[in-house]
Amino acid sequence: AQSVTQLGSHVSVSEGALVLLRCNYSSSVPPYLFWYVQYPNQGLQLLLKYTSAATLVKGINGFEAEFKKSETSFHLTKPSAHMSDAAEYFCAVSHYTDKLIFGTGTRLQVFP
Amino acid sequence: DGGITQSPKYLFRKEGQNVTLSCEQNLNHDAMYWYRQDPGQGLRLIYYSQIVNDFQKGDIAEGYSVSREKKESFPLTVTSAQKNPTAFYLCASSSPGQGKGEQYFGPGTRLTVT
Repeated sequence: AQSVTQLGSHVSVSEGALVLLRCNYSSSVPPYLFWYVQYPNQGLQLLLKYTSAATLVKGINGFEAEFKKSETSFHLTKPSAHMSDAAEYFCAVSHYTDKLIFGTGTRLQVFP
Repeated sequence: DGGITQSPKYLFRKEGQNVTLSCEQNLNHDAMYWYRQDPGQGLRLIYYSQIVNDFQKGDIAEGYSVSREKKESFPLTVTSAQKNPTAFYLCASSSPGQGKGEQYFGPGTRLTVT
C-alpha cells in the first residue's frame, strides 16, 4: 500500500534562511508525487509535482523538490524563506490513478 | 474564471441534525472528491466520484452520504450518525488520466456541531 511520511509536524526558520520540509514515500512502483500548500482556513494549492520527467522539479513561489528514488524521498526546499511562506505544507502520492494519499502535513513558521 | 466553489464558508449545526455541504466546479472535470481535515491528521478521503451517477466510499465514509446527479455538483451530507462531525471539509476535482493525480481544491467549509 502507498503511504507518505512527513518528518516534523512543525518547522521554524528565520526569514532568509533555507527551508527544508521532508517527505518520504513507500511505493513498489514509480509514483507521482505532489506538494501542496495551505494557508489558514483556505483550500490546498498545488506547489509542484513530479510525474517521472526531470527529477528536480521547480514550483511556484521559489520552491523546488528533488525526487530521489534510492532514498524514496521528495523533500521540498526553498533557498530563502519569506514571511509569506508561513503555511501548512502537504506531500501527496498517487499511482496511475487520480486518488491521492496525503501526509499529515508540516506547519512552517517563519520568524523575522 | 474556472474553479471550485464551496458554500457556506462556515456552518453551525446542532447535534442530531443532518447538514449538506455544497461543492460546485466549472472546470469540466469528471472526478470529484470530499476530504475531511482535522488538526495533525492531514486529509482523509470521505467519498469520491469518477463519473456522474457513480461514487465510491473513501477511507472514512461512515456517517456521510453523497450524490452526483450533475457533472458540476457533488454535495456532501453529514448525517446525525457521524459521531464527530466538527471539522474542515474540502472538496476537490480532477480530470482523470490527464493530471496523473493532480487535484484542484475548493476553499473549504468549516462545520461546527454543538
